[in-house]
Amino acid sequence: DTEVTQTPKHLVMGMTNKKSLKCEQHMGHRAMYWYKQKAKKPPELMFVYSYEKLSINESVPSRFSPECPNSSLLNLHLHALQPEDSALYLCASSQNSGQTYEQYFGPGTRLTVT
Amino acid sequence: AQKITQTQPGMFVQEKEAVTLDCTYDTSDQSYGLFWYKQPSSGEMIFLIYQGSYDEQNATEGRYSLNFQKARKSANLVISASQLGDSAMYFCAMREGSTGGFKTIFGAGTRLFVKA
Repeated sequence: DTEVTQTPKHLVMGMTNKKSLKCEQHMGHRAMYWYKQKAKKPPELMFVYSYEKLSINESVPSRFSPECPNSSLLNLHLHALQPEDSALYLCASSQNSGQTYEQYFGPGTRLTVT
Repeated sequence: AQKITQTQPGMFVQEKEAVTLDCTYDTSDQSYGLFWYKQPSSGEMIFLIYQGSYDEQNATEGRYSLNFQKARKSANLVISASQLGDSAMYFCAMREGSTGGFKTIFGAGTRLFVKA
């Protein structure tokens, strides 16, 4: 079962709201990722959680914060977002973080910040 | 400098014909992985095919094959017998061993249109 699930599929939030995106995989993968994708652009890596260690893309603002409650879940907490944060947020997992492992992506959450 | 270059923003192909999507890459690592992903308009990224830097044979997965030319640093995707459902955005990507494979670098993508 090569499935990564994400909820919600769509989210509209105001700039003062606090919301969370959820991502879950049941493939026993040891690495999970969050990507941000603007329209007509490739995905940009935001965070990697691998073997209980979090790696952060330093360009990601602090209004995004990841949380890994267990090895199959990776949440993304959102607070005080800006309109330019509107994008498709993709979660992915891979068996390992090494360069030989393909990533499996979820369907994404389309986020609109008003 | 761009590490993954996809020079074709858009491509058209007739149904049932083969099409090649170009990808060149730049790395000083000896160990790296090359990937192709398909992204339909629904948004989900679908893994298609993988080629390791030490693999001597070109990778194949069903109708997909990867034309790997290491000396030229190219990893072109060949789709045989195109189908209408192949219409999508295609991304070439690389993971380098020196970064522990943490970071996947994507090209700008090629949008493929399959004509009936």
